[in-house]
Amino acid sequence: AQSVTQPDIHITVSEGASLELRCNYSYGATPYLFWYVQSPGQGLQLLLKYFSGDTLVQGIKGFEAEFKRSQSSFNLRKPSVHWSDAAEYFCAVGAITSGGSYIPTFGRGTSLIVHP
Amino acid sequence: DGGITQSPKYLFRKEGQNVTLSCEQNLNHDAMYWYRQDPGQGLRLIYYSQIVNDFQKGDIAEGYSVSREKKESFPLTVTSAQKNPTAFYLCASSMSRGYQPQHFGDGTRLSIL
Repeated sequence: AQSVTQPDIHITVSEGASLELRCNYSYGATPYLFWYVQSPGQGLQLLLKYFSGDTLVQGIKGFEAEFKRSQSSFNLRKPSVHWSDAAEYFCAVGAITSGGSYIPTFGRGTSLIVHP
Repeated sequence: DGGITQSPKYLFRKEGQNVTLSCEQNLNHDAMYWYRQDPGQGLRLIYYSQIVNDFQKGDIAEGYSVSREKKESFPLTVTSAQKNPTAFYLCASSMSRGYQPQHFGDGTRLSIL
């Protein structure tokens, strides 16, 4: 079965600093990877996705992520963080089940705190 | 605009009471999902449905029930058998063909009185 690990429960950065959120996955075949963002009391919004092709993926809000098969990682990055980026970030890996259903598995999330 | 509507936003349950959370989507998505979110635990899958009149248990289905009588609707009932129902509940939908990302509603927060 697939699994996702987000090693950092909280990350604190200063506004304007760069950001990297870590995500490691476990899956036997080529994974389908996603990053979502969640503001307090809201649902999740898709930031970006990786299915195949270029391993550097661009998303919304200036975020990007790089798929590294050798490290089983899909880290999220942003060159300059804005105060509005403070939120919870979730990494997810999708895989087809034996019954043919597509069910993503989510990590536990990383809470981003932005200092002015 | 297309999207997913969850209602109510806040819900309170008395001991021994069943409550139903509503989820409606107008995205014409085939698949719908229910997740439970607790602090520090990420999202855990309760039930999912790939087509109308069919649904499957997720990782934590005990104490919950669902129905899928219409493509647009996937209500979740939290029964009295669910001993710790206080949580944030998220509904999602996606196209079922291929690897499609999920779209989420804004959630329902359920609390015990």
